[in-house]
Amino acid sequence: GENVEQHPSTLSVQEGDSAVIKCTYSDSASNYFPWYKQELGKGPQLIIDIRSNVGEKKDQRIAVTLNKTAKHFSLHITETQPEDSAVYFCAAIQGAQKLVFGQGTRLTINP
Amino acid sequence: GAVVSQHPSWVICKSGTSVKIECRSLDFQATTMFWYRQFPKQSLMLMATSNEGSKATYEQGVEKDKFLINHASLTLSTLTVTSAHPEDSSFYICRPGQGLVTEAFFGQGTRLTVV
Repeated sequence: GENVEQHPSTLSVQEGDSAVIKCTYSDSASNYFPWYKQELGKGPQLIIDIRSNVGEKKDQRIAVTLNKTAKHFSLHITETQPEDSAVYFCAAIQGAQKLVFGQGTRLTINP
Repeated sequence: GAVVSQHPSWVICKSGTSVKIECRSLDFQATTMFWYRQFPKQSLMLMATSNEGSKATYEQGVEKDKFLINHASLTLSTLTVTSAHPEDSSFYICRPGQGLVTEAFFGQGTRLTVV
């Protein structure tokens, strides 16, 4: 089955700087890669996603890149703000919609 | 994105009692419902997958007689934790699915505390 590895487990950046979180996956059949932001006591919130036929996708300060050959994808947050502080999860999904999550990254934005 | 309503958001129950958690898909027909569990500072782990009108499929290590899942309609699925114990205390989250639609949205989660 699919296995998703996520790094780093914790990340602390200064407000205004960029943050990058990386994930690798094992199953080349995976075709959808969502990223979630989870705040304390809440369910995961989908922030951006990318499909296997696309190499990069951007939405304002958030971007995701996908390298199918290397089987890794990354989340990039630019101009970070305090409200970006949260736990971020990457995931990979195959056709049967079974999501496999990374271990999570606790992002802290320092004012 | 999809609108998913999960209730209750939190519940405290005594050991040995049962708790029911509801997940409603408000703006699309959920042919599939995924139930996840998340322990503190850990990732989400899939517990079971149910298809509307049929029995749920449970992941390895998840007791099907303890975590009863009902998916009788395309808009509602329930998870009942039976004979709850303190080790069942966790954050339970649902995610509806629909056919080939791959966007994945979650409910708000239910914090269960068993005392």
